[in-house]
Amino acid sequence: ELKVEQNPLFLSMQEEKNYTIYCNYSTTSDRLYWYRQDPGKSLESLFVLLSNGAVKQEGRLMASLDTKARLSTLHITAAVHDLSATYFCAVDTATSGTYKYIFGTGTRLKVLA
Amino acid sequence: DTGVSQNPRHKITKRGQNVTFRCDPISEHNRLYWYRQTLGQGPEFLTYFQNEAQLEKSRLLSDRFSAERPKGSFSTLEIQRTEQGDSAMYLCASSSFNEKLFFGSGTQLSVL
Repeated sequence: ELKVEQNPLFLSMQEEKNYTIYCNYSTTSDRLYWYRQDPGKSLESLFVLLSNGAVKQEGRLMASLDTKARLSTLHITAAVHDLSATYFCAVDTATSGTYKYIFGTGTRLKVLA
Repeated sequence: DTGVSQNPRHKITKRGQNVTFRCDPISEHNRLYWYRQTLGQGPEFLTYFQNEAQLEKSRLLSDRFSAERPKGSFSTLEIQRTEQGDSAMYLCASSSFNEKLFFGSGTQLSVL
């Protein structure tokens, strides 16, 4: 069964610092998704990574995918307070013939002023 | 607004009662998903539909839970004989073929 793990689970960082969140998954998949969730809110899509080596960037966030290593990273550059949220990665099961999305445990990010 | 709509936003019920939630997906999306999320956890897959067909249901899901999607449009999720452990945020999402999920705002269930 597909398992998705993220680390760290909690991340407290200073503004203007850089950091990386890691997402590992257990079975073959070519597609990985990153979402953001603010407290009490629903999930908002950030990135869709559809192939090995895919890299997407939006503002201070950059996501990449290595399907051979079954690893995705979300890199934060020069963090600002507005990035404080919980970040989830998700993997779909299309390669196994079904189309459900399995989410990681989430990384709760707090950017300190 | 053509996003995913869920009703009600909040539901408080007593243990043993039945509850039903509704989800209206983005109209052109053929897939609809239900997830459950508890505090500090990621969304947990419950079930999904492709058009009106329910294609998969989580093995962890109790028989007290049932979902329908008549005519491939809106969906309902019913929980019978609610228990305190059912308290959670119930999220609905929809997607087109092999694309990202679009989530609704969720229904927060509290079982007293």
